Amino acid sequence: AQTVTQSQPEMSVQEAETVTLSCTYDTSENNYYLFWYKQPPSRQMILVIRQEAYKQQNATENRFSVNFQKAAKSFSLKISDSQLGDTAMYFCAFLFGNEKLTFGTGTRLTIIP
Amino acid sequence: EAGVAQSPRYKIIEKRQSVAFWCNPISGHATLYWYQQILGQGPKLLIQFQNNGVVDDSQLPKDRFSAERLKGVDSTLKIQPAKLEDSAVYLCASSYGTGGPYEQYFGPGTRLTVT
Repeated sequence: AQTVTQSQPEMSVQEAETVTLSCTYDTSENNYYLFWYKQPPSRQMILVIRQEAYKQQNATENRFSVNFQKAAKSFSLKISDSQLGDTAMYFCAFLFGNEKLTFGTGTRLTIIP
Repeated sequence: EAGVAQSPRYKIIEKRQSVAFWCNPISGHATLYWYQQILGQGPKLLIQFQNNGVVDDSQLPKDRFSAERLKGVDSTLKIQPAKLEDSAVYLCASSYGTGGPYEQYFGPGTRLTVT
């Protein structure tokens, strides 16, 4: 079974700074998908960014980018120019084929004004 | 485009009572998911439907939980009887298809408290 580990339960950063959230996973599969989801205090979860394992290029979405290290099974999320609206729980998730999405335990990120 | 709708948003019941949650997915989405999110944890898949058929219910406690998706659209999740450890947020999500290329869209969730 696949496992996803987020070792940072909580993080905080000043507004406009850059922050990196860590995620590691364990799998024996070669082709899979990795995701970062954001869950603001209102609790509606939204997709931030997605990475296909067969792509070597790291995914980027505006201020959000990932550092995907396939051999190390590492998938970190970098948020640049952080904004107050980035305050939320962030979940790393893994998906192989049509199997279920496996989530990590989350990192609570607080952006300080 | 309307998002995933869930009701109720909050529910408080006593242990051994029953409760039902409702979900209306995004129009045209064939796949529907129910997740359980216990405080401090990531969501855990309870059941996945493809149209009105069950794809995965391996983590659904079938002695007390049941779910159905009639006509491949709306879905209900029922707990009977509830236990204290069922206190959690129940999230419904939907996607156009199954697998990585298809984004899952989540509803606001139902927060269940069992006393």
